[in-house]
Amino acid sequence: EADIYQTPRYLVIGTGKKITLECSQTMGHDKMYWYQQDPGMELHLIHYSYGVNSTEKGDLSSESTVSRIRTEHFPLTLESARPSHTSQYLCASSDHGTENTEAFFGQGTRLTVV
Amino acid sequence: AQKVTQAQTEISVVEKEDVTLDCVYETRDTTYYLFWYKQPPSGELVFLIRRNSFDEQNEISGRYSWNFQKSTSSFNFTITASQVVDSAVYFCALSGDNAGNMLTFGGGTRLMVKP
Repeated sequence: EADIYQTPRYLVIGTGKKITLECSQTMGHDKMYWYQQDPGMELHLIHYSYGVNSTEKGDLSSESTVSRIRTEHFPLTLESARPSHTSQYLCASSDHGTENTEAFFGQGTRLTVV
Repeated sequence: AQKVTQAQTEISVVEKEDVTLDCVYETRDTTYYLFWYKQPPSGELVFLIRRNSFDEQNEISGRYSWNFQKSTSSFNFTITASQVVDSAVYFCALSGDNAGNMLTFGGGTRLMVKP
């Protein structure tokens, strides 16, 4: 059973508001990720981190930013939300080992910007 | 560059039918890993299996089985005697050592199992 948590599960917010999506894991994993999922299902990597103070942009350009001050915490922030940011955001983490280990996912945050 | 293709966007079957979900991948890495995840309506992705590129043995876990064939760059997933609870979106994914171990996902296959 994975121990990775995202809050909130659902968020409806007005255009122009600043929002932070929370993601925490209790597994001590070094690697953490944010994926954006279209309504059409496809998953796109938008941010990742190899450890504390490490953040990188993923394949899909995003106006969001992330921080990694603590191992267990990887929040995503949108300074000014727009309707185009409406999507599902999935956070994940994986162990840093000699082999590729599977990523564990949170339940996601479904964001709607009106 | 890595790429994963799930050609079947949506599959509908009747309960107890067998169903195979296709996955074809592209990578330049000699060492890579393949995964299948299930996404039920609740939204989270649930890990099902991981396979490394050196292990072509097929695997069976209950009603689930996986067929890995390097010669055709495929990693297909079969559900035997499908059940309504199998209804979900299934994702195939790939990660390779030269891609920083980042997961590349296929577009997903939505499986609907009707009673």
